[in-house]
This record gives sequence, C-alpha cells and structure tokens, in this order.
Amino acid sequence: KAGVTQTPRYLIKTRGQQVTLSCSPISGHRSVSWYQQTPGQGLQFLFEYFSETQRNKGNFPGRFSGRQFSNSRSEMNVSTLELGDSALYLCASSLGPQDYEQYFGPGTRLTVT
Amino acid sequence: DQQVKQNSPSLSVQEGRISILNCDYTNSMFDYFLWYKKYPAEGPTFLISISSIKDKNEDGRFTVFLNKSAKHLSLHIVPSQPGDSAVYFCAVSSGTYKYIFGTGTRLKVLA
Repeated sequence: KAGVTQTPRYLIKTRGQQVTLSCSPISGHRSVSWYQQTPGQGLQFLFEYFSETQRNKGNFPGRFSGRQFSNSRSEMNVSTLELGDSALYLCASSLGPQDYEQYFGPGTRLTVT
Repeated sequence: DQQVKQNSPSLSVQEGRISILNCDYTNSMFDYFLWYKKYPAEGPTFLISISSIKDKNEDGRFTVFLNKSAKHLSLHIVPSQPGDSAVYFCAVSSGTYKYIFGTGTRLKVLA
C-alpha cells in the first residue's frame, strides 16, 4: 500500500508570496492532518480535515488555510509568507478522526527568503 | 506554555544497553499517548502507543510506560541498536486536537 505522499518536497519562496502544498493520504484514509515542524518548536498541529470539513484547528494565524477534496486529498495554503514560515510541513493521514494512529508523509521543506 | 515536554534534547547510549526516553505532560485530559521515531528527511514513523487505561505496553524491544499520577510517559528500548539512532517524539491526544507533540529527543546509539 502506498504511503502518504506530499508535493513538492522542497520549495523556496520570497517573503510576501503565497504557497500551496499538496498531500495525498494512504488509500482508504479519510482524515488528513497538517503539522509544522521547526527546530525550536517541534511539531505543531495546524489543522485536521475529514470528509472535506475542517474538524480542528491549531493556534496559527488566518494566513494558514487548507482544504480537502472528495478523494481525501488535501492542500494547505500559506498567504503573505513571512521568514518565520520557513519550516518542514508534514501531512499525516488516518482512517478517520477517531483513529489515533496517524501515518506521516515525508514533508515539504519550505524556505522563505 | 508547552503542554508536552521532552526535557532531554539528546541522549547517547551504548549498543546493547537500555535507552530510556522521557516525556512529561500537563493536562490530565489527555487520553492517548504515542511515540514516533523520525529519521532525517523523512516523516515521523509511528512506534508504539498506550491508552490512559493502561500503564504499560510492549512491542518487541520497545516498551512504553505511563504514570498518570505523575503525568509522565517513558519509552524503553532494550537492547538498543545503532539503527535506533533517530529523533524520538512523544505525542498526546485528547480527541480535541489530533496530537500535541513534544520537541523531541535525539538518540544516538554508539556501536
């Protein structure tokens, strides 16, 4: 069974630009969560989607948004990029919102210059 | 204010010995606890979990202990192998959030 895939793997953007990251969950998984990993903060929860609806949201500004499509694929968008947005963005999928075990993708490394 | 703390950023252990990684949390509402292992350039990989109704769970060389009164979680790896060298994250869940992660402990197993 194919794992969670994320595209692109690496991205360099300029301050003020916007970016869209994509995540394809494991086949059959309907819940997708996004996390930001930075050296000082560890992994921080961004949001979770299930059945095209955002179920939970972490403590991030409104510049961070996401969506989920009917095939469970998910995208997250960051607008008006700031230098502090440079991080590894990880997507994780699970069978459903009640399933505690999540499977992570390799992440997208975003660098904002 | 960090709700999940891994106070040791790094740990070195000799091959064959026990590795003990620790994690403390603040909220007694958390009801599920997990450990993930992360290699460079890869996403975290699920290792082992425990629910709040248990105090111990074993899977091969890996054992997780939960002390609810102390709000403390630990991962024991016995015997430690060089391939275990990675960053280990503990994570907690209450259902409201999917997970809250600790900041990680870098384990180095010396051959």
